[in-house]
Amino acid sequence: DQQVKQNSPSLSVQEGRISILNCDYTNSMFDYFLWYKKYPAEGPTFLISISSIKDKNEDGRFTVFLNKSAKHLSLHIVPSQPGDSAVYFCAALNAGGTSYGKLTFGQGTILTVHP
Amino acid sequence: DTGVSQDPRHKITKRGQNVTFRCDPISEHNRLYWYRQTLGQGPEFLTYFQNEAQLEKSRLLSDRFSAERPKGSFSTLEIQRTEQGDSAMYLCASSLGTSGRDTQYFGPGTRLTVL
Repeated sequence: DQQVKQNSPSLSVQEGRISILNCDYTNSMFDYFLWYKKYPAEGPTFLISISSIKDKNEDGRFTVFLNKSAKHLSLHIVPSQPGDSAVYFCAALNAGGTSYGKLTFGQGTILTVHP
Repeated sequence: DTGVSQDPRHKITKRGQNVTFRCDPISEHNRLYWYRQTLGQGPEFLTYFQNEAQLEKSRLLSDRFSAERPKGSFSTLEIQRTEQGDSAMYLCASSLGTSGRDTQYFGPGTRLTVL
């Protein structure tokens, strides 16, 4: 029962171009969504989040879009840099429920940014 | 700020042996989480503590698994009678606050290999 899905295992983009990573979810109780970035031999690092009451959140080069009706979110990185090469995980939680802080993760997408 | 630390970083054991992992959260973080990540998957929630109280456990946490956080500071995760299916990366995270939306900071993980 994969409640959060990242259907693209990998993505390759050229430096300076836009990277778009996608994520779908099935649980309508999720009301808070996050993106984490993971480098090899390190734990995931929080990148950006969005509440279900919003449809967009921006932080520098990173923007997350949420389409609640489609149960879909995406992460845009503009412009992409070689240092952005990492595994990106989408995560979701029901912040208002009893499972406080229990993150449900997608499978991850490996982003490679070529110089 | 030393971040979340985990010990050991790698553990190789034989099937049937017991293993124990330790997690030291960021100082004064009251919430502590354990996740498990297998190859090609995102982290999966195992359990979490609010101070010393274990408030939720996943169905993934069989009777062979036990976690403690005796003084509300560091935590240990013990696996008894290990099986090959226990081979995974075990991640610990901590957060400050009482909201599920509080950012979780992850440690580098302990990689367990069961032979």
